[in-house]
Amino acid sequence: KNEVEQSPQNLTAQEGEFITINCSYSVGISALHWLQQHPGGGIVSLFMLSSGKKKHGRLIATINIQEKHSSLHITASHPRDSAVYICAVKGSNYKLTFGKGTLLTVNP
Amino acid sequence: EAGVTQFPSHSVIEKGQTVTLRCDPISGHDNLYWYRRVMGKEIKFLLHFVKESKQDESGMPNNRFLAERTGGTYSTLKVQPAELEDSGVYFCASSPSGMNTEAFFGQGTRLTVV
Repeated sequence: KNEVEQSPQNLTAQEGEFITINCSYSVGISALHWLQQHPGGGIVSLFMLSSGKKKHGRLIATINIQEKHSSLHITASHPRDSAVYICAVKGSNYKLTFGKGTLLTVNP
Repeated sequence: EAGVTQFPSHSVIEKGQTVTLRCDPISGHDNLYWYRRVMGKEIKFLLHFVKESKQDESGMPNNRFLAERTGGTYSTLKVQPAELEDSGVYFCASSPSGMNTEAFFGQGTRLTVV
């Protein structure tokens, strides 16, 4: 079982819908990252958080340290949001442990 | 400011050949990481440099992989000899000094061993 589990693996939505991607982890962490990768593109860091909630534009990330769970929300989704969203956690050392990613497709 | 750059973007080599991947981190970033995604699997850690020193190389698959970061600037990852299972996307990331600093990723190098 992977230390970082994401759900769902695949998600298809209509433009304008509210999207939630979940991430659960089984180890103690110092920080959690949400990353985005467009098809054929590099990885872009969306958020790094260790507690509470962060918001950037239409993206919101929350984390519950006690429950070892984080969510990434996208409001008013748009086709350009179509990408793979990856959750990664950092433990007591520097390296990141990644989830398998969630493939999001937003149809117009 | 330039981001993390990786060369080449794609490489197709035959089994048994040697390939060298290069990563140029963001200037001033002490931390440099190599990661790999094998098809269908999650991205996995390979190793971590702090300046020119290997801080953690616990993720290196075997001794066919050699990473260097001479002078603490750019890094190279050499695979010699390459095997079919080495195919995947190799990502480099860099971050400033400190534990919880944000990591910036390169575009990745897609390696195909045939």
